[in-house]
Amino acid sequence: DADVTQTPRNRITKTGKRIMLECSQTKGHDRMYWYRQDPGLGLRLIYYSFDVKDINKGEISDGYSVSRQAQAKFSLSLESAIPNQTALYFCATSDPDRAETQYFGPGTRLLVL
Amino acid sequence: AQTVTQSQPEMSVQEAETVTLSCTYDTSESNYYLFWYKQPPSRQMILVIRQEAYKQQNATENRFSVNFQKAAKSFSLKISDSQLGDTAMYFCAFMKQFSGTYKYIFGTGTRLKVLA
Repeated sequence: DADVTQTPRNRITKTGKRIMLECSQTKGHDRMYWYRQDPGLGLRLIYYSFDVKDINKGEISDGYSVSRQAQAKFSLSLESAIPNQTALYFCATSDPDRAETQYFGPGTRLLVL
Repeated sequence: AQTVTQSQPEMSVQEAETVTLSCTYDTSESNYYLFWYKQPPSRQMILVIRQEAYKQQNATENRFSVNFQKAAKSFSLKISDSQLGDTAMYFCAFMKQFSGTYKYIFGTGTRLKVLA
């Protein structure tokens, strides 16, 4: 079984809709992250959480919110989706004992029409 | 502000040959971590190699090695004996946690194609 899972894997939605992307991990890591990937821009950090009570904004948090329901679960929400949020979204965990190496989920491809 | 630059958007190499991917970064910090990640067509991001900035010795993982030049702020990836399965996007990344702020910055990637 994969260590970091994301649901859904693909999603098409319409402008103005609320959408939630979910992430679960079995690695036992406290630290979790959400990134978006756009062609030509690499990965950019949206939010990160170092434990259940700690949530921080990343580089591009506007238009997004997150919820850390448990150590193993970290959800990303788009309250009112817009077309420029069309991207590939990755959840990741990290291990501070391995120099914060990131372990990524398989990604969610989101298309906002 | 920290930045990571990968100046080669695309590269190709013949199978069994050696290729070097370039990465430069900009930081005023002295302690940080550098990474190379691979993203094959399956889109799964996978760690290739990691380097701690306080270590002078270049990291090596089987056919993958880095040339870490701290003063020049350069962190290139060398792939020896290239294989078809090495075809992927390769991302260089910089990580530093300081003053309550966490920075994990990725370059824009280099698309590598290994030719049969």
